Amino acid sequence: AQRVTQPEKLLSVFKGAPVELKCNYSYSGSPELFWYVQYSRQRLQLLLRHISRESIKGFTADLNKGETSFHLKKPFAQEEDSAMYYCALSGLEEGNNRLAFGKGNQVVVIP
Amino acid sequence: DSGVTQTPKHLITATGQRVTLRCSPRSGDLSVYWYQQSLDQGLQFLIQYYNGEERAKGNILERFSAQQFPDLHSELNLSSLELGDSALYFCASSVDPSGGQTDTQYFGPGTRLTVL
Repeated sequence: AQRVTQPEKLLSVFKGAPVELKCNYSYSGSPELFWYVQYSRQRLQLLLRHISRESIKGFTADLNKGETSFHLKKPFAQEEDSAMYYCALSGLEEGNNRLAFGKGNQVVVIP
Repeated sequence: DSGVTQTPKHLITATGQRVTLRCSPRSGDLSVYWYQQSLDQGLQFLIQYYNGEERAKGNILERFSAQQFPDLHSELNLSSLELGDSALYFCASSVDPSGGQTDTQYFGPGTRLTVL
């Protein structure tokens, strides 16, 4: 079974401060990990995925298989980063694309 | 704009009723996914169709069913509705679920269902 845990529901940070959203997963096979973001009144959209190893809008995330984690980080938060962030997992062995989501983190960046 | 469209935007109905939610995938996408988002359960995968065939099933109740038509649009049918079915229902689409790498899913705006 696939399980994704995002322990903190709400995270408030000051503009310019670092942001870290924690994501831990449970999956016996080879996982693909994603971060999705939902800005106010917009649809869910992909922020980044671990296989891309890229930085999007200043965010990075590293897959740590030993700790089964995929934490999202940004060194300096901006007001436009205020949004809901969801960590998601897909199992390659499944043969499909189904995503298991965490409960999400509400990020509020205080000006 | 990701191109996935969902209708209606909002739906208010009574317990015991039946509703149909509609999803049109992005042009060229063969796979459609349905997710339910509720306050207590979060975002949960319901079902996936690929080119008209059911591909994967998640936490979908027997009262719920879905199908994908030859033009690739999909419908999610919810029957004998209960108060607990009130949620946001998202549709997503992707090109191809296979190939050794997970396809990016593009989400629609969702349909908010309220059961009174």
